[in-house]
Amino acid sequence: DAGITQSPRHKVTETGTPVTLRCHQTENHRYMYWYRQDPGHGLRLIHYSYGVKDTDKGEVSDGYSVSRSKTEDFLLTLESATSSQTSVYFCASRWSVNTEAFFGQGTRLTVV
Amino acid sequence: DQQVKQNSPSLSVQEGRISILNCDYTNSMFDYFLWYKKYPAEGPTFLISISSIKDKNEDGRFTVFLNKSAKHLSLHIVPSQPGDSAVYFCAASASNAGNMLTFGGGTRLMVKP
Repeated sequence: DAGITQSPRHKVTETGTPVTLRCHQTENHRYMYWYRQDPGHGLRLIHYSYGVKDTDKGEVSDGYSVSRSKTEDFLLTLESATSSQTSVYFCASRWSVNTEAFFGQGTRLTVV
Repeated sequence: DQQVKQNSPSLSVQEGRISILNCDYTNSMFDYFLWYKKYPAEGPTFLISISSIKDKNEDGRFTVFLNKSAKHLSLHIVPSQPGDSAVYFCAASASNAGNMLTFGGGTRLMVKP
């Protein structure tokens, strides 16, 4: 399995606070993705990256920002957490087009 | 608008029988399709993929079929085993569209002993 880790694995935070989730991969994959999983919605793409400093929005990007200063790290920031952002967040990476993506174990975020 | 849809939220089959999971897509630019399996409290794991230049790909008990004209793909599991019980996601990407990877809503498969 590809070495892709997410931190933290669990977090409880208060409404209005900023939160940063980290995704780290050791496979030198070019492409990285952040998803959220919610009941009835499957996996929805938040943001993705196609190289260092190259990022783009997915289908549910409002309230989220990302940064990729190194190949191995992709950070997801909730600018000001809201209860609607309570979810399980997954990071994924892949080498190139037409290859499989590998997922991290997920981060369960609760905003109270 | 959802570009990848799995219209059956759940499927129940008997052990040893065939499981057929379906997926529809709307974006004709998609050229690579994947199936993932997910257990609770774990990340999705890759099962099998297919390029748009093919209409079938097989790996052991798993076969994926692609019908480009209908914008439909399916995953066949034969024979089904209780350990196959999980949520299955289909995904699609377009190589000339920033390499986004878009997932469907998932189908929960239950294989009964």
